[in-house]
Amino acid sequence: AQRVTQPEKLLSVFKGAPVELKCNYSYSGSPELFWYVQYSRQRLQLLLRHISRESIKGFTADLNKGETSFHLKKPFAQEEDSAMYYCALSRGSGNTGKLIFGQGTTLQVKP
Amino acid sequence: EAGVVQSPRYKIIEKKQPVAFWCNPISGHNTLYWYRQNLGQGPELLIRYENEEAVDDSQLPKDRFSAERLKGVDSTLKIQPAELGDSAVYLCASSSIWGYNEQFFGPGTRLTVL
Repeated sequence: AQRVTQPEKLLSVFKGAPVELKCNYSYSGSPELFWYVQYSRQRLQLLLRHISRESIKGFTADLNKGETSFHLKKPFAQEEDSAMYYCALSRGSGNTGKLIFGQGTTLQVKP
Repeated sequence: EAGVVQSPRYKIIEKKQPVAFWCNPISGHNTLYWYRQNLGQGPELLIRYENEEAVDDSQLPKDRFSAERLKGVDSTLKIQPAELGDSAVYLCASSSIWGYNEQFFGPGTRLTVL
């Protein structure tokens, strides 16, 4: 069965510190992996997807198929990064729909 | 561009009462999703529509939940009768065939069943 695991419910760091939000998945095929973010009082929105291989707001994530991981990283955290982060998996490519979400990790960046 | 619209934003009902949620996706988005998000969990898909056809409703509890998207645009999700365990946030999302699987989410409806 497909599954996404985010082992940390809360990650608290100081401003300027490095951040790594962990995500592990189980899927036998070739998944698409995403990170979605929800800032306070805002709706859930896409942060980045692995196929784009881009940096968004200083965040990057590399798909490691050997370790079945898709950890989200940022070298220097900012207070505005405080939010709830969800890792999600989609089967196949293109608009095939169903996203399977992890439980989410709250990132708290302290001044 | 207007985002996904959902109403109501909040709903409080007593158990065994019916409730309905409405969603209007982004114009031109042919795929519409309903998710349920329990407290402290990530969203879980209930049903996915391609235009007016429900193509994935395997997670929809069909004894009490129903959904429709009659003209392939807006959609309604209904629960009848509601149970205490249905308290959750119900999210609607939409995507375009040109959107590389990016889903755009609405603000959600927070349902409380007393």
